[in-house]
Amino acid sequence: NAGVMQNPRHLVRRRGQEARLRCSPMKGHSHVYWYRQLPEEGLKFMVYLQKENIIDESGMPKERFSAEFPKEGPSILRIQQVVRGDSAAYFCASSPQREAYEQYFGPGTRLTVT
Amino acid sequence: AQSVTQLDSHVSVSEGTPVLLRCNYSSSYSPSLFWYVQHPNKGLQLLLKYTSAATLVKGINGFEAEFKKSETSFHLTKPSAHMSDAAEYFCVVSGGSQGNLIFGKGTKLSVKP
Repeated sequence: NAGVMQNPRHLVRRRGQEARLRCSPMKGHSHVYWYRQLPEEGLKFMVYLQKENIIDESGMPKERFSAEFPKEGPSILRIQQVVRGDSAAYFCASSPQREAYEQYFGPGTRLTVT
Repeated sequence: AQSVTQLDSHVSVSEGTPVLLRCNYSSSYSPSLFWYVQHPNKGLQLLLKYTSAATLVKGINGFEAEFKKSETSFHLTKPSAHMSDAAEYFCVVSGGSQGNLIFGKGTKLSVKP
């Protein structure tokens, strides 16, 4: 059973470009969470999605960030017009059921904005 | 509101000596608590979890943690450190009804030969 997959593992963008981060949950998992880890800090919750639904986006910045989890395909975290402060590691986690605290994490995408 | 405080940002031990990583939590209800480990440039791996069953929780790689409600603590211990234990460790508390997790700032464990 493959684990949570994220791609790309490393992404370099110039200021003003768009970044698209992908997350494929574990097989059988229909709940996806995105977290951001800034340097020297712990992970901060961003958004919780179920297939075709955003359940909780209380941790998402109000502008430039969006997330989706379509019926088919991976979950996408999209950052428009990236700025240097967006440089971070972005982790995706999945769980098999709602409000399941046992979440399985992917390897992360390290975004660098130059 | 839920929160977690890791009391040490960096802990250094010698190989073969005990490990203690300290964590205090705050929760308005009975929480679920976790310890995750992150090796350099890698994802997070669940070490152990507490979900209101036994207060002494055993995890992988010889780690264990004890939930102490009276002290609001969930310290991580291991009797004998191994070089491969060098990593960053995160104490985590369940965030609320929606299932998100709240992470501490992490403790970097160094193991000297």
